[in-house]
Amino acid sequence: AQSVSQHNHHVILSEAASLELGCNYSYGGTVNLFWYVQYPGQHLQLLLKYFSGDPLVKGIKGFEAEFIKSKFSFNLRKPSVQWSDTAEYFCAVNSRASGGSYIPTFGRGTSLIVHP
Amino acid sequence: SQTIHQWPATLVQPVGSPLSLECTVEGTSNPNLYWYRQAAGRGLQLLFYSVGIGQISSEVPQNLSASRPQDRQFILSSKKLLLSDSGFYLCAWTGPGDYGYTFGSGTRLTVV
Repeated sequence: AQSVSQHNHHVILSEAASLELGCNYSYGGTVNLFWYVQYPGQHLQLLLKYFSGDPLVKGIKGFEAEFIKSKFSFNLRKPSVQWSDTAEYFCAVNSRASGGSYIPTFGRGTSLIVHP
Repeated sequence: SQTIHQWPATLVQPVGSPLSLECTVEGTSNPNLYWYRQAAGRGLQLLFYSVGIGQISSEVPQNLSASRPQDRQFILSSKKLLLSDSGFYLCAWTGPGDYGYTFGSGTRLTVV
């Protein structure tokens, strides 16, 4: 079965610091990769996604993620965080089931707190 | 445009009572529908997913069940709630091509 590991459960940064959140998955076949963000009191929202092509993916709000197939990783980065980036971040991986549907697996999430 | 509605937003139910949470999607047809439970520190746990009317796949054996009586309606149910059923339940959908999930606003269920 697919598993997704987010290594940092809690991250605390000051504004303008750089951010990197780790995400590793276990499935060796074709996968689609996602990062979701949940701001306090709000819905889960899609931050960025990777399907194919350029392994460096740009998302909203200055976030980017790099797919490294050999490392089964899809780390999320932002060069300079803001207080408004305080949120919970989830990595997700879809792997295709035998019936053709996608089976999603989410990581446990990383809580990011940015101090002003 | 597509929208997803989930209700109620909060629910307090006694142990042993039944449960019915409803999720509907508008603006699309034949969506893949999902029920997740979000627990603090444990991320999102997939409970059920459905690729069509009457088709339900269960990921985790538990006290809950799901049904899809219509194309854009997905219902999470229980005949008798347990204390351990407390949590935050999210409905989500994807369209063909797997372009990422759209989540509902969630239901905070407290079993007392």
